[in-house]
Amino acid sequence: GGIITQTPKFLIGQEGQKLTLKCQQNFNHDTMYWYRQDSGKGLRLIYYSITENDLQKGDLSEGYDASREKKSSFSLTVTSAQKNEMAVFLCASSILGSAETLYFGSGTRLTVL
Amino acid sequence: AQSVTQPDARVTVSEGASLQLRCKYSYSGTPYLFWYVQYPRQGLQLLLKYYSGDPVVQGVNGFEAEFIKSNSSFHLRKASVHWSDSAVYFCAVSLNYNQGKLIFGQGTKLSIKP
Repeated sequence: GGIITQTPKFLIGQEGQKLTLKCQQNFNHDTMYWYRQDSGKGLRLIYYSITENDLQKGDLSEGYDASREKKSSFSLTVTSAQKNEMAVFLCASSILGSAETLYFGSGTRLTVL
Repeated sequence: AQSVTQPDARVTVSEGASLQLRCKYSYSGTPYLFWYVQYPRQGLQLLLKYYSGDPVVQGVNGFEAEFIKSNSSFHLRKASVHWSDSAVYFCAVSLNYNQGKLIFGQGTKLSIKP
């Protein structure tokens, strides 16, 4: 089996700060995703990457940048942290498309002071 | 716009009782359908998925779901719940195999009474 590792598990930042979240997977999956989880709102897609060097915007991409450095890693940057961005960010991967099973990391919990 | 609705934010059932968690989607075609579960402080894990064929699909730990196209529903069921089933359950749809957009419902938090 494989694993998805998200770092850090907890991230505390100041309003206006640029913050980076990292994700590594050893499944050898092509597609990787970043979701944001807010209480009572389900998961919303921020960015996804179908293959290495590909980037696709999700429904919530404004205020974020993403980078697929290599097949196994996918980073998300909050370009300017806002107080209403306290949420859990989940990284996931799948063999190919979204109709395949997604495997999730345990998340990065962001708190903005 | 396509959407997924889980009308019950919280559900509480007694241990050993049967369970149904509701899910409805808004899409004119036939999507790929999923149920995921999230245990405390963990990521999501797949319970079951529907692509085509038999509308009743079996998943892990005794869960099953039934796709009813006429009702645009994909409700999750279990005949007898266990305390370890306490978790948040998410219904999700994918409209296109390679589109990359898995659309999630808001989630239903399941609590089990002893």
